[in-house]
Amino acid sequence: DTGVSQDPRHKITKRGQNVTFRCDPISEHNRLYWYRQTLGQGPEFLTYFQNEAQLEKSRLLSDRFSAERPKGSFSTLEIQRTEQGDSAMYLCASSSALGRGEETQYFGPGTRLLVL
Amino acid sequence: GESVGLHLPTLSVQEGDNSIINCAYSNSASDYFIWYKQESGKGPQFIIDIRSNMDKRQGQRVTVLLNKTVKHLSLQIAATQPGDSAVYFCAENTPSGNTPLVFGKGTRLSVIA
Repeated sequence: DTGVSQDPRHKITKRGQNVTFRCDPISEHNRLYWYRQTLGQGPEFLTYFQNEAQLEKSRLLSDRFSAERPKGSFSTLEIQRTEQGDSAMYLCASSSALGRGEETQYFGPGTRLLVL
Repeated sequence: GESVGLHLPTLSVQEGDNSIINCAYSNSASDYFIWYKQESGKGPQFIIDIRSNMDKRQGQRVTVLLNKTVKHLSLQIAATQPGDSAVYFCAENTPSGNTPLVFGKGTRLSVIA
């Protein structure tokens, strides 16, 4: 257990529905990342926060995706109007930014999404 | 574009033997590298990291080697155990100030008892 928790662990939804995932990072970590992982691939970056500010978004993050970290602690990732191509494992990671190039990111267990 | 990749998608080793997992990276500006282990249905688990000012770092049963000349990274696992069976990813962290990790596809390590 890394100290990063995610909820739910599994989600099955029908195409067109909205889903929301939650991530609770390690408490003293100021950076929080969202990644997506499909079967047989490495995680792909989606977006990240430093405290409550969303600093970077990947081009993978379409308009249907939105992430928030309102108080600089937990974060939510919402997918609107889900599509079958959204089926994947959504991973959250957190880190304590010590300086450039020295960020060990610790991952949560992931939320596995299946869109029917 | 820049990418991190792995040479071998699968590796089978006998229990007790040493394992070597290789990784090539293409961004010469990367200055921090991490190896993660991922078991089925779980998130990636940090194993060991190395900064670009080092060429070797040792942990418990694991050693990471970095060859900046050829942009190659390897993970050595000594006395491989059944519990080491997993997918291993290398990841690079570029010194852009905004540092999402870039992962390769992974190598599946299977330990034969």
